[in-house]
Order: sequence, then C-alpha cells, then structure tokens
Amino acid sequence: DAGITQSPRYKITETGRQVTLMCHQTWSHSYMFWYRQDLGHGLRLIYYSAAADITDKGEVPDGYVVSRSKTENFPLTLESATRSQTSVYFCASSPVSFTDTQYFGPGTRLTVL
Amino acid sequence: ELKVEQNPLFLSMQEGKNYTIYCNYSTTSDRLYWYRQDPGKSLESLFVLLSNGAVKQEGRLMASLDTKARLSTLHITAAVHDLSATYFCAVDRDDKIIFGKGTRLHILP
Repeated sequence: DAGITQSPRYKITETGRQVTLMCHQTWSHSYMFWYRQDLGHGLRLIYYSAAADITDKGEVPDGYVVSRSKTENFPLTLESATRSQTSVYFCASSPVSFTDTQYFGPGTRLTVL
Repeated sequence: ELKVEQNPLFLSMQEGKNYTIYCNYSTTSDRLYWYRQDPGKSLESLFVLLSNGAVKQEGRLMASLDTKARLSTLHITAAVHDLSATYFCAVDRDDKIIFGKGTRLHILP
C-alpha cells in the first residue's frame, strides 16, 4: 500500500542495547522527519533529511543516529538506548520543502527497561 | 528561541457548543500548522496558514492567523463527539518546526 509505514510498531528493549526504528514512504517525498512524542512535551523533532545522503539535527538529536541512503527509507538508530528514550516515535514526510504539510506514519512505541 | 503555547491544554465541552483553542508563539514565523491526533493514532494535517489574516475552514473547524499578535485560533462550531481528539499547532522558522503541547478536547454527547 502507498503511504508511510513504520516498523516495528512496538518495541521493548533494555538499557544499553542498540535499536533501529524503520521508516518507509512510497510517495518519493524529498523530506523526511523523526519526532518523539512524550507526555507534557508534545512532539519534538529529532532529525530530518532533505534528500538522500542529506540529514540535519532537530531539537533533540543527542543519542540518535540517522541515515538516508535511499529516498524512501529513513531509519533512526538509538546506539545505546537509555530509559529517557522511552517514547512514541513518529516518522513523517513532506513532498518538496521543509515547510510543506507533513504526513505522519503510525508511530512506534518504544520502551527501554 | 521559538516557543509555542496552546491553551487550554484540556477542554471538556458539551455537544452543540462553540469553543476556541488558542495558539501563541514567541517570534515571527513563516507558517502555522494545525494537526489532529486521535488517541493512540498518528497525526493528521488539518490546516496550513501562510499569511496574516489567513482563515481556513473545514466542516465545524475554522482556523485563523494573526501574525502581528503571533496568535492562531482554532474555532469549533456546534461541537460533535467525533471531534474529540488532541489538537496541535506548530510553527516553523529557520528550518525548525516547534509544536505546542496540544489541546486535549473531550466532547460529551
């Protein structure tokens, strides 16, 4: 199906483990984004990408790594997960520019024990 | 630093009533967005407001933007239960998008 998908939808891991969250979009949108959503904080931008091989930091990038070797994929890696990274993670994409309407994926609920 | 504040954060209202959600932001901005999120679901774009005085309407929701006051409003007319959700505004400036904390709206049947 066309759209933006995230996997896994739910993940439980332990402190110190590496975790990768996947994001895939079929629209060939240029921009892709990773947000985290926490109670009391709303959504906060972690990283974004303007195109393949172009990424930039958002508001809360520490502890996260991204890559974008293909336009359609934008994985987010937690190199050494911490409890403070327990959150719901949303991937989003927008067609041409940073300021276009963003289309959000279904989210990944990550719990770090 | 760009800050976005929404109020109220929680709102419980009766069906058929009108109400307004407010979104204030701290510095000049290029665009203002409104999103809706149903419980346990993702975010859905409602409106993008591009200029001072912009007004957009869809169904019972109407959004407006006053860039001089740095204020956007989301007005709900004759609320119905299906509009129960969390509503976020977001503002962008210099390649940063900052979201408000959201307004959780509960409409009682």
